[in-house]
Amino acid sequence: DAGVIQSPRHEVTEMGQEVTLRCKPISGHDYLFWYRQTMMRGLELLIYFNNNVPIDDSGMPEDRFSAKMPNASFSTLKIQPSEPRDSAVYFCASSLASGGSSGNTIYFGEGSWLTVV
Amino acid sequence: AQSVTQLGSHVSVSEGALVLLRCNYSSSVPPYLFWYVQYPNQGLQLLLKYTTGATLVKGINGFEAEFKKSETSFHLTKPSAHMSDAAEYFCAVSKGGGNKLTFGTGTQLKVEL
Repeated sequence: DAGVIQSPRHEVTEMGQEVTLRCKPISGHDYLFWYRQTMMRGLELLIYFNNNVPIDDSGMPEDRFSAKMPNASFSTLKIQPSEPRDSAVYFCASSLASGGSSGNTIYFGEGSWLTVV
Repeated sequence: AQSVTQLGSHVSVSEGALVLLRCNYSSSVPPYLFWYVQYPNQGLQLLLKYTTGATLVKGINGFEAEFKKSETSFHLTKPSAHMSDAAEYFCAVSKGGGNKLTFGTGTQLKVEL
């Protein structure tokens, strides 16, 4: 089975440009998460969706960040305008939580490595 | 609030030696605990998890962890380190809501000849 698929794997962009990161979760999973990893702050949850609906976006750093999930097989994380401090690895992850139970495994993509210069 | 603390940001062991990576949790309810591994330039891969039942959990690549409620710990061990174990290891606690994970700060494991 295909895992979580993210694109692009690497992106270098100039400050002020719009950046769009894409994610295809594992088929059938009903939860989708966006995490950011930096040396300074470690792994941070930015936002997560349940059945395509955003549930908690309290981790989104500021209004320059937005995320959407138009259908069960696709999500985007957009940064506009981008800044050098947004340089990080952005991970998408998905899980299946049948009946709302916890303890199910979250599967991570390979990450999108973003550098803003 | 639920959180995990990983003691030691860097651990170095000799090949063949015991690996011990420490994780303590704080939780007001019985937690779900996870260990993930991240190899250089890759995503996170689940090593093992504790949900309910047996407190000694066995994972992939010879790793295991023991849930100790009295010590609020979930330390990761491997009897004999291999060079291929060199990676960063993250302890995490599930926060419900589809298993939203809160991660520790990570421990970088170095394996020396």
